[in-house]
Parts: sequence; structure tokens; C-alpha cells
Amino acid sequence: SQKIEQNSEALNIQEGKTATLTCNYTNYSPAYLQWYRQDPGRGPVFLLLIRENEKEKRKERLKVTFDTTLKQSLFHITASQPADSATYLCALEGEYGDYKLSFGAGTTVTVRA
Amino acid sequence: NAGVMQNPRHLVRRRGQEARLRCSPMKGHSHVYWYRQLPEEGLKFMVYLQKENIIDESGMPKERFSAEFPKEGPSILRIQQVVRGDSAAYFCASSSGTGAQPQHFGDGTRLSIL
Repeated sequence: SQKIEQNSEALNIQEGKTATLTCNYTNYSPAYLQWYRQDPGRGPVFLLLIRENEKEKRKERLKVTFDTTLKQSLFHITASQPADSATYLCALEGEYGDYKLSFGAGTTVTVRA
Repeated sequence: NAGVMQNPRHLVRRRGQEARLRCSPMKGHSHVYWYRQLPEEGLKFMVYLQKENIIDESGMPKERFSAEFPKEGPSILRIQQVVRGDSAAYFCASSSGTGAQPQHFGDGTRLSIL
């Protein structure tokens, strides 16, 4: 069955640096992949969607890449700010239904001022 | 606020009681999803509904759990005879369609079982 793995450790970085998060998946080739942000006590907030035929996508200071050969997506936060501190979730369309998102456990990012 | 609304935000029940969680999707969205999140785990899909229809309930336990999305009113996730293991955060999401569409989430209901 489908398996999704994100950076197992929390990421602590200095303000202004670039945070790079990894999402690896196995046993499936999704047509698209999504990234969400989740703050404590809140629901996930959609950030970016990237399709299998797109190598890279950008939105303001965020950049996502999608390597279907490596079965990996990288999520970059450039010029990071303390307000970027949150948990970031990778989500894939389901193996048996594209509405059935499968989420990774998330990577917690803390940006120090 | 035109976002997904869930209530209550926090719900405490004793073992054996019933829990009812409500979700009003974003305006114009007819697709509703329920997910469960346990501490240190990812969100797990439970059920997908459209108005008056359950499309996929493959992620929902066969017993004690049910969901509905009536023609009028919010979607309801119902847990009967709750047990300690039901303690979790339950999130509802909605979308305008399926396929490469983002899902918009509410802030969840935190269910605690005493």
C-alpha cells in the first residue's frame, strides 16, 4: 500500500535561511501532490499543488519540486521568517480515489529570529 | 467567514456516550471529507460524501461510526458508544470538485473520552 515519509526530525533554522523539507513516497505514482501548513490547534491550510508533469512550482517565497523518478517532492521556504514556524504536511492523491488524500506525518519547522 | 466551519471545537464524552461532530462546508462546495488525526500521526481519511450520498466510507470503522450530509444542514459525523481510543482530532474538509483540487479544512473538533 501507499507509504509517505517526511523529514522525521523537526527543522530549526535561523531567520533568513532556506528551509528544505522532503517528502518521499513508495508503491504508487500519484498524478499530483499537495503541500499544506498546519498551526497548533488549527486545521491544515492548502499551500501548493504540483502535477506529475510539472518539475517545479513557486508561490511567493515557497518552491516545490516533484521528481517522479525518485518518488520525491522537496518543499523550500526561502528567506524564512518566524511567522513560517509551523508543521508542513505533504499529501498525495489516494491510490484508489483521487479525493482520498494520504498525508505524511508532517515536519515541524521553527524559525529563530 | 466563508471557510469550513466545525463545531464544537472541543467535545468531552464519557465512555459509552454518543459524540456528534458537525461540519458546514465552504459556500459552493458540495464535496465533504472527514479525516482523523492522532497525536504524532498523519491525517487519515475516513469518509467522503456528497449531498445525501456517501461516496466512500472505506476509512471509517465499520461499527459505531456513521456519517451523513443531508440535503439541508451540515454534515454530521456520529460516533456511538465512544471508547478511549476514539480520542483524536477530527477534521472536516470540503472542495468544489475532485481530482487536482485543494481541500479546504476546518479547525477540527478535539474529542476527549473520559
